[in-house]
Amino acid sequence: AQSVTQLDSHVSVSEGTPVLLRCNYSSSYSPSLFWYVQHPNKGLQLLLKYTSAATLVKGINGFEAEFKKSETSFHLTKPSAHMSDAAEYFCVVSGDFNKFYFGSGTKLNVKP
Amino acid sequence: GAVVSQHPSRVICKSGTSVKIECRSLDFQATTMFWYRQFPKQSLMLMATSNEGSKATYEQGVEKDKFLINHASLTLSTLTVTSAHPEDSSFYICSVGKLDNYGYTFGSGTRLTVV
Repeated sequence: AQSVTQLDSHVSVSEGTPVLLRCNYSSSYSPSLFWYVQHPNKGLQLLLKYTSAATLVKGINGFEAEFKKSETSFHLTKPSAHMSDAAEYFCVVSGDFNKFYFGSGTKLNVKP
Repeated sequence: GAVVSQHPSRVICKSGTSVKIECRSLDFQATTMFWYRQFPKQSLMLMATSNEGSKATYEQGVEKDKFLINHASLTLSTLTVTSAHPEDSSFYICSVGKLDNYGYTFGSGTRLTVV
């Protein structure tokens, strides 16, 4: 069975400072992992995905995530937050037949 | 990448009426589509898997008679919320069964408000 735990429901950072959004997963086999972003009243946009290639994955808008099998983690990072990064972020693991299992989400607030 | 169109983006309906939401795969023949629901301040939860030409498979706790899914063609799946009640107010979003480098496998979602 697959599941995802996002450790923080809210994260607040100042503009220009680093962002860390934490995600731990559980999977009965080698998983595919994703980070999606959802801006208010908008759909989902893929930031990046891990599919058993390089463990450090670079995505759009300066985001990256590192797959650590020993820690069953897939934390999302960005060196310098921008005001436009304020949104809700979902860590997702794919299961059988391309079903997606979403974490509970982390709301990122960026202060000026 | 796969392009998914979902319509309508917003709908307000009266309690007791039915609402149909369409999910179209514009450039990919989707034998499988997925329907998710997101309640306010909660994560997205998979509701059902829509299978072209056969019955949908529903996740545990989802009422199949209330959420009717039809996947009659390779490009269209519909979700009908029957006899809607205020507690059905939610954000519904579909996904096609294809992962690609662009990741645009999700529709833009439908905000349903039942009054």
